Amino acid sequence: AQSVTQLDSQVPVFEEAPVELRCNYSSSVSVYLFWYVQYPNQGLQLLLKYLSGSTLVKGINGFEAEFNKSQTSFHLRKPSVHISDTAEYFCAVSDGGYNKLIFGAGTRLAVHP
Amino acid sequence: DTGVSQDPRHKITKRGQNVTFRCDPISEHNRLYWYRQTLGQGPEFLTYFQNEAQLEKSRLLSDRFSAERPKGSFSTLEIQRTEQGDSAMYLCASIQGDGEAFFGQGTRLTVV
Repeated sequence: AQSVTQLDSQVPVFEEAPVELRCNYSSSVSVYLFWYVQYPNQGLQLLLKYLSGSTLVKGINGFEAEFNKSQTSFHLRKPSVHISDTAEYFCAVSDGGYNKLIFGAGTRLAVHP
Repeated sequence: DTGVSQDPRHKITKRGQNVTFRCDPISEHNRLYWYRQTLGQGPEFLTYFQNEAQLEKSRLLSDRFSAERPKGSFSTLEIQRTEQGDSAMYLCASIQGDGEAFFGQGTRLTVV
């Protein structure tokens, strides 16, 4: 069965500092990996996805993530965060595109001035 | 195209009452998913429709839960005899073919 582990439940960071949100997955089949962001009282918005091809994927709002098959990781990074990046971030995996996404528990990113 | 719409946004109900939520997917999206998100957790898959056919149901979906998608358009999720453990955010997502999953803003259910 597939599963996702987000290693940090909360990540506090100062504005303009770099940030990395960690995600590890387990799967016995080919995987598709996603990062979603959720602002308070909102639905989920896709930040970026890995379906195939280059292991470094770039998304919206300056975020990027690297698929590492040997370490079964898909960590999310941003070189310089803004106050507006404060939100909950979810890593997700599926065995077929956007079919039945399996989500991690989420990481709350808190950006402080 | 106004995105995925869910109604109501918030629902407070007494334990034992029945509630029904509605999801209007993006028009012509043939696949529709329901997820449940409890506080401090990621969304969990509940059920999936392709057009009007309900193709998969999670074990999380007890006998008190039922979902429909008549005519392959909007979908409803009904919870009968609500329990406090049903309190959660219920999210709907729609997909066209192999495209991106678009999520609605969710319905937050509070059972008191």
